[in-house]
Amino acid sequence: ETGVTQTPRHLVMGMTNKKSLKCEQHLGHNAMYWYKQSAKKPLELMFVYSLEERVENNSVPSRFSPECPNSSHLFLHLHTLQPEDSALYLCASSQDRWRENEQFFGPGTRLTVL
Amino acid sequence: KQEVTQIPAALSVPEGENLVLNCSFTDSAIYNLQWFRQDPGKGLTSLLLIQSSQREQTSGRLNASLDKSSGRSTLYIAASQPGDSATYLCAVMTSGTYKYIFGTGTRLKVLA
Repeated sequence: ETGVTQTPRHLVMGMTNKKSLKCEQHLGHNAMYWYKQSAKKPLELMFVYSLEERVENNSVPSRFSPECPNSSHLFLHLHTLQPEDSALYLCASSQDRWRENEQFFGPGTRLTVL
Repeated sequence: KQEVTQIPAALSVPEGENLVLNCSFTDSAIYNLQWFRQDPGKGLTSLLLIQSSQREQTSGRLNASLDKSSGRSTLYIAASQPGDSATYLCAVMTSGTYKYIFGTGTRLKVLA
């Protein structure tokens, strides 16, 4: 276990649904990340939060909406997704977002959009 | 724009072999490089983190080296075991970005 948990582990949703992914870290870290992993493609960084403030939005469509209510929790709110959004969504955390820090990943949420 | 390449894409070896996985990157101005392991359908497990000022890091049977000037890193696995079967990813944090750029990984299978 890495100290980063994600729920749900699997999610199937229609294009008109609204759902949320949850990430929680028990490491006392100050930075949290959302990544997308699609088949046959490298991991792509989506968002970075540092001390609950969004510091990076990597050109992600607005149908993905992150929320970081405190330094231990990170959400990804989903609405009107497309089938090509089906992927493994990974959350990670690090002590802070500076360059010396190792990132710890959760197990991911496997999302299927019908 | 930083690009990270991992070769080979897949590798199958008999148990007990020593093996080398390769990672190359196009922009040598990096802060650090991290090697991860990913089991099928699972998240990533950090294996080794090498800062730009370091040449190598070791953990158990794993040794990672970094040659910044040539844009290369290798992950050496000694005495491979079936439990080492997984996809191995390298990620590079380019200077000034604080973002990791990932390679597509090497899928390793160690045969018993």
